[in-house]
Amino acid sequence: SQQGEEDPQALSIQEGENATMNCSYKTSINNLQWYRQNSGRGLVHLILIRSNEREKHSGRLRVTLDTSKKSSSLLITASRAADTASYFCAGGYQKVTFGTGTKLQVIP
Amino acid sequence: DAGVIQSPRHEVTEMGQEVTLRCKPISGHDYLFWYRQTMMRGLELLIYFNNNVPIDDSGMPEDRFSAKMPNASFSTLKIQPSEPRDSAVYFCASSTTGNQPQHFGDGTRLSIL
Repeated sequence: SQQGEEDPQALSIQEGENATMNCSYKTSINNLQWYRQNSGRGLVHLILIRSNEREKHSGRLRVTLDTSKKSSSLLITASRAADTASYFCAGGYQKVTFGTGTKLQVIP
Repeated sequence: DAGVIQSPRHEVTEMGQEVTLRCKPISGHDYLFWYRQTMMRGLELLIYFNNNVPIDDSGMPEDRFSAKMPNASFSTLKIQPSEPRDSAVYFCASSTTGNQPQHFGDGTRLSIL
């Protein structure tokens, strides 16, 4: 079963715009992770936020976590065509479970 | 550093044949995961190992699927006999602990005719 549900399922934006993806999860977690998957490749870990953190930054990525609402968001600022990919959240306690993914298209 | 290595990258075979997928995790990673990804069902966890021992195989769809990890540097996922509905991309991933970031291989794209 899926841990997280990403929203939206698909997102299309112009290069330079910001992209926001949301994730809602079901069970308790001790961290929430975001991954990117380029077409035909495996998932690549982007960023991890612990359950006692509310916000984390890494380059153009900003992740927030609201454990009371069991939700997280991933913001990609100043998007580039190379950001075109599927993005997954994953959370859990002893093991992580992946969500359904958001397919992001950045139009040059 | 070598990442997770999967072989073969592509496999096309006829239904009824045995299929063996191979994975070499990152050295020092104690956890190994096998996933299946399809358009319809998304990314599904099939089984995972800790220190070469299977911990949770509840995602293995049927008895036709089996997985082994004879040592810390090698794992196999076997399907026997294969069926067209087994067509998917199969990923192997490894991590240091069960809830730390996973490192994925590039997958095996399996087509059963």
